[in-house]
Amino acid sequence: RKEVEQDPGPFNVPEGATVAFNCTYSNSASQSFFWYRQDCRKEPKLLMSVYSSGNEDGRFTAQLNRASQYISLLIRDSKLSDSATYLCVVNGRNSGYSTLTFGKGTMLLVSP
Amino acid sequence: NAGVTQTPKFQVLKTGQSMTLQCAQDMNHNSMYWYRQDPGMGLRLIYYSASEGTTDKGEVPNGYNVSRLNKREFSLRLESAAPSQTSVYFCASSGGGVRGDRDYFGAGTRLSVL
Repeated sequence: RKEVEQDPGPFNVPEGATVAFNCTYSNSASQSFFWYRQDCRKEPKLLMSVYSSGNEDGRFTAQLNRASQYISLLIRDSKLSDSATYLCVVNGRNSGYSTLTFGKGTMLLVSP
Repeated sequence: NAGVTQTPKFQVLKTGQSMTLQCAQDMNHNSMYWYRQDPGMGLRLIYYSASEGTTDKGEVPNGYNVSRLNKREFSLRLESAAPSQTSVYFCASSGGGVRGDRDYFGAGTRLSVL
């Protein structure tokens, strides 16, 4: 099983739609989870951290299911500006130090 | 409000040439990282420095060396560039040893090796 797996997409949705992405991770000891956003030819930027209790930031909601080892991101009322690649990120496993492991990303295309 | 600064932004090398990618952060972060991003492969960790004075290999270290010059600066060196090293390179930094902290990324270096 790959460390962090995501559906690459693309997800093509119209403006105003609700879209959800899932991500699975293999390391059951992982403690930190994030969603990053990456625009074409730009650097990744943090969208939101993912907490055990779930968290919401405006139109974005993130959920964590530790038992099933998956993370979700829900985007409501999609905007054209939401078009980007969304990276699922989990803290990995290196003895004595933990580094982040990035999924390959899910591409979202929002059309007028 | 610079954050993480990488130079150069673009570079073209011939096979066998050497070069150093520079990275500096002004956030007083302890940890710094070098990633490469290739189509279909996602971000892969090359080397990291958990704190000043330490460096460690990541997932894909072969063909690279790093130097943590001081707390602010972390450089990546290609001693003898190969076409397989054509990629986009990102430097990142984070505040703590417990990896709950987010990574802040530089704008990237687009490297082509001919």
